[in-house]
Amino acid sequence: DTGVSQDPRHKITKRGQNVTFRCDPISEHNRLYWYRQTLGQGPEFLTYFQNEAQLEKSRLLSDRFSAERPKGSFSTLEIQRTEQGDSAMYLCASSADSGGDTDTQYFGPGTRLTVL
Amino acid sequence: AQSVAQPEDQVNVAEGNPLTVKCTYSVSGNPYLFWYVQYPNRGLQFLLKYITGDNLVKGSYGFEAEFNKSQTSFHLKKPSALVSDSALYFCAVSPRNDYKLSFGAGTTVTVRA
Repeated sequence: DTGVSQDPRHKITKRGQNVTFRCDPISEHNRLYWYRQTLGQGPEFLTYFQNEAQLEKSRLLSDRFSAERPKGSFSTLEIQRTEQGDSAMYLCASSADSGGDTDTQYFGPGTRLTVL
Repeated sequence: AQSVAQPEDQVNVAEGNPLTVKCTYSVSGNPYLFWYVQYPNRGLQFLLKYITGDNLVKGSYGFEAEFNKSQTSFHLKKPSALVSDSALYFCAVSPRNDYKLSFGAGTTVTVRA
């Protein structure tokens, strides 16, 4: 399967702990996105990378959140001092920046975070 | 800022009947419009998009959508629904050359046998 992969698929943590999620985009895709989806809502944009450069961050991405894409391939999203309000599905997507399909974002299966 | 409205939380149809899921949008300039489908505990699966050209766009699994600029709508349609089409459908919009997608709240489609 050459789609977007995310790890772990599920994470349960206690309030105050730190968590880190990983996303592996489709191999030839240079653009990578993180979204958050809460129950009953559509995904909300968090941040976007072009290769290793983080080009945009949403105001939803508080100081406790940090995302990296150090080598322009996989990305990590870390949440420090988790709060119950961080419980959500975290979705990663990727897209190409050349060729005929640069407009379409392809999503991974998501990481479901539960903060107790 | 862009936004998407999906006015129906739920759509229920009988198998074999036409299916329509409504979407209206607000965006500056010409939009890029998308439909995604989400099955339980899964990520979003791309169905179709409108970028430019013909207002009627055909996508995966027999779905199509019509871009209507005057009504700022992008309704998803399928002529004959299947039970397997039961899922959560999201409409999304982005301004041209802006990669940030804004999603609607989603519409749950239930197709009864």
